[in-house]
Amino acid sequence: EAAVTQSPRSKVAVTGGKVTLSCHQTNNHDYMYWYRQDTGHGLRLIHYSYVADSTEKGDIPDGYKASRPSQENFSLILELASLSQTAVYFCASSDPTLSNERLFFGHGTKLSVL
Amino acid sequence: GDSVTQMQGQVTLSEDDFLFINCTYSTTWYPTLFWYVQYPGEGPQLLLKVTTANNKGISRGFEATYDKRTTSFHLQKASVQESDSAVYYCVLGGHDSGYNKLTFGKGTVLLVSP
Repeated sequence: EAAVTQSPRSKVAVTGGKVTLSCHQTNNHDYMYWYRQDTGHGLRLIHYSYVADSTEKGDIPDGYKASRPSQENFSLILELASLSQTAVYFCASSDPTLSNERLFFGHGTKLSVL
Repeated sequence: GDSVTQMQGQVTLSEDDFLFINCTYSTTWYPTLFWYVQYPGEGPQLLLKVTTANNKGISRGFEATYDKRTTSFHLQKASVQESDSAVYYCVLGGHDSGYNKLTFGKGTVLLVSP
């Protein structure tokens, strides 16, 4: 079964601090994604990547950076965390040979910025 | 751009009740429609795909239909169980920058009481 692992599962950060969320997949998928989940907003795409060493902006990239050092790993970086970035973050991967229709999500990281 | 509207924020039912969730969509591309489900403490997972060829998809007792005329798609189940309590997302697949982008609705929280 496909596996996407996120770390940490939860984190408390201070305003203005740097936060790095990590994601590792063993699916051998080319595409990886970072989504943000907020009550009333559903899932919104922050960044995605279709190949190592390259990232693309999603729908809400402001305040976030992404890094894809290898096919298996994809990180989301908050250089200066803000209160408004408190949310649950999900990483996902997909197979472009299947039209990227099925996303495999991790269990999420709950981030609280204080 | 693509958009999907999911009006029902929460649905509360009793076991064996009938479930109906409705979404509308807007796209300039040929639509591919999905329903994703998120159980407590987990990431979302694909529940079913609605193929525009036969306007219907079926999985795990759930049935989804699609109406091109009204640009809407629905999820229904004849008899819900407590284990169906979850968040249900309608999802529109489309093309953006050369890849098949998924646009998520805001989600419907389904609460089923025994």
